[in-house]
Amino acid sequence: DSGVTQTPKHLITATGQRVTLRCSPRSGDLSVYWYQQSLDQGLQFLIQYYNGEERAKGNILERFSAQQFPDLHSELNLSSLELGDSALYFCASSPNPRGEKLFFGSGTQLSVL
Amino acid sequence: QQQVKQSPQSLIVQKGGISIINCAYENTAFDYFPWYQQFPGKGPALLIAIRPDVSEKKEGRFTISFNKSAKQFSLHIMDSQPGDSATYFCAALSGTYKYIFGTGTRLKVLA
Repeated sequence: DSGVTQTPKHLITATGQRVTLRCSPRSGDLSVYWYQQSLDQGLQFLIQYYNGEERAKGNILERFSAQQFPDLHSELNLSSLELGDSALYFCASSPNPRGEKLFFGSGTQLSVL
Repeated sequence: QQQVKQSPQSLIVQKGGISIINCAYENTAFDYFPWYQQFPGKGPALLIAIRPDVSEKKEGRFTISFNKSAKQFSLHIMDSQPGDSATYFCAALSGTYKYIFGTGTRLKVLA
């Protein structure tokens, strides 16, 4: 167990809908990363937060947004969902801002029908 | 320039054999190169990592070889075991906090 908690584990929704994925980092970790994993594209970096502030941005769509709250948990919001957004979404945390060692949660499997 | 290219996509090795997975990068700003192991239904977990000031790092049966001039690094799994069957990801990290992963290699070790 990595100590990173992601909820829900599975999410089934329809196109055009909006969903929120939640991540609780390991106790004491200030950095949170979000990744999207699909079969053909591996792990795609979406965004990183450190202690509530956005630190780095990857290939995150404008329909997606994220934030890290004062208690350090993070939420990834996906809106106007499309079929192609179906993927496994991982959250990872790290004890330092550079994040050399990432601890991954078990992921949220999103299915858009 | 932000990509890390990983090969092969899949690999089948006999028990006791050597598994070799290769990665290449372009961005010379990368200064930390980890490998992650992912089992089905789980998130990736850090396996071993190297910095560009060394050419090789070994931890048990796992070795990273690093070639700075060629901008390539590889993971060698010695005496491969069926329990090593998993997906392996190389990654690279730069000072700009972007943690970039390769596309993954599915390793199957036959008993």
